[in-house]
Amino acid sequence: GAVVSQHPSRVICKSGTSVKIECRSLDFQATTMFWYRQFPKQSLMLMATSNEGSKATYEQGVEKDKFLINHASLTLSTLTVTSAHPEDSSFYICSARDARTGLGNEQFFGPGTRLTVL
Amino acid sequence: LAKTTQPISMDSYEGQEVNITCSHNNIATNDYITWYQQFPSQGPRFIIQGYKTKVTNEVASLFIPADRKSSTLSLPRVSLSDTAVYYCLVGGPSYNTDKLIFGTGTRLQVFP
Repeated sequence: GAVVSQHPSRVICKSGTSVKIECRSLDFQATTMFWYRQFPKQSLMLMATSNEGSKATYEQGVEKDKFLINHASLTLSTLTVTSAHPEDSSFYICSARDARTGLGNEQFFGPGTRLTVL
Repeated sequence: LAKTTQPISMDSYEGQEVNITCSHNNIATNDYITWYQQFPSQGPRFIIQGYKTKVTNEVASLFIPADRKSSTLSLPRVSLSDTAVYYCLVGGPSYNTDKLIFGTGTRLQVFP
């Protein structure tokens, strides 16, 4: 089946530093990838839609200058949390849609990245 | 995007059948219904998807009435490992642009 990986799986950083999270579709091409954030005991919140070769589309309330998204290829999207602060500590999850399928809206999710900002 | 409503939590015992119902009164003609399962500290996992009537796979069944304003995920003979959060989502078939908006989900707790 379609596999999506994320790296790193967890990261701890100091306040003020930037952290890059990678999302890769391992066995399929993804023209569109999505980035979510999830706080403990809460649902996933969509942050942005990442389109290969174009600018990401951010959801309302998500700062595009703080959460930089780059979708450089059909198999890789990156999320950079710039100048991270403790309130950015969360579980970040990416998903990808297989470009070959056009039915329904199934997405394949990565395992998530646990970010802790000290 | 159609909003979904699910019970916040459900309890069951091993070996029982669990039915989780989701309401989506504003579902559009082109919308599909998709269910995901999420374990703690993991990404959601696709369970099943359907458009109308009944869909069955090796994991679950999905029942969708004719008016499509609700759907029921049926998990046969649950085990402890089925303890997870289950999300019901509805969305259109545009595979390039459609985004998934997650609702609260249903937290299923299976007891021995």
